[in-house]
Amino acid sequence: GEDVEQSLFLSVREGDSSVINCTYTDSSSTYLYWYKQEPGAGLQLLTYIFSNMDMKQDQRLTVLLNKKDKHLSLRIADTQTGDSAIYFCAETSTGTASKLTFGTGTRLQVTL
Amino acid sequence: KAGVTQTPRYLIKTRGQQVTLSCSPISGHRSVSWYQQTPGQGLQFLFEYFSETQRNKGNFPGRFSGRQFSNSRSEMNVSTLELGDSALYLCASNDRGTQETQYFGPGTRLLVL
Repeated sequence: GEDVEQSLFLSVREGDSSVINCTYTDSSSTYLYWYKQEPGAGLQLLTYIFSNMDMKQDQRLTVLLNKKDKHLSLRIADTQTGDSAIYFCAETSTGTASKLTFGTGTRLQVTL
Repeated sequence: KAGVTQTPRYLIKTRGQQVTLSCSPISGHRSVSWYQQTPGQGLQFLFEYFSETQRNKGNFPGRFSGRQFSNSRSEMNVSTLELGDSALYLCASNDRGTQETQYFGPGTRLLVL
């Protein structure tokens, strides 16, 4: 079945760039997503990328997709303390477009 | 547009009871999906409803069920609650339009004692 993996923890200094990585196994993935979850809250959709793209930029966020290696990354430029949260990558596949398979989540800690 | 709303936000039940959670999607969205989030298992897909029909189902026992009404609002029910059902239950809506994006509500936190 599908499997999505992420590293558990990342610590960066305020103002630096953060790069959160994700690998997935499903070769039929159609869309790949990044969600943010703050303590006690639901999931906030940050950005997504279609599988035929290799990069997408949205303000401070840059998503890179290496489909050959099934590797997805999220770069946050000029990381702020308000970016501290858990970040989940997720994917959907052909035929199950509304079923998201999530990674384990990466906790991003931003220090002063 | 208002976002996805879920009620109640917090709930405490005892083992053996049943519970019903409610989700109102974003206006115009016809697809509603449910997810369970626990520290041990992470985020897992429960089921998806579209136009009042269950279209996808995850690997959960039959104690977990759901339905969708004609106004797209959805409910999920868990019968014979177990301690392991304690979780954050998240609902997401999707417009089935040009983008396959799902927007999540704040969740219902269920504690089973």
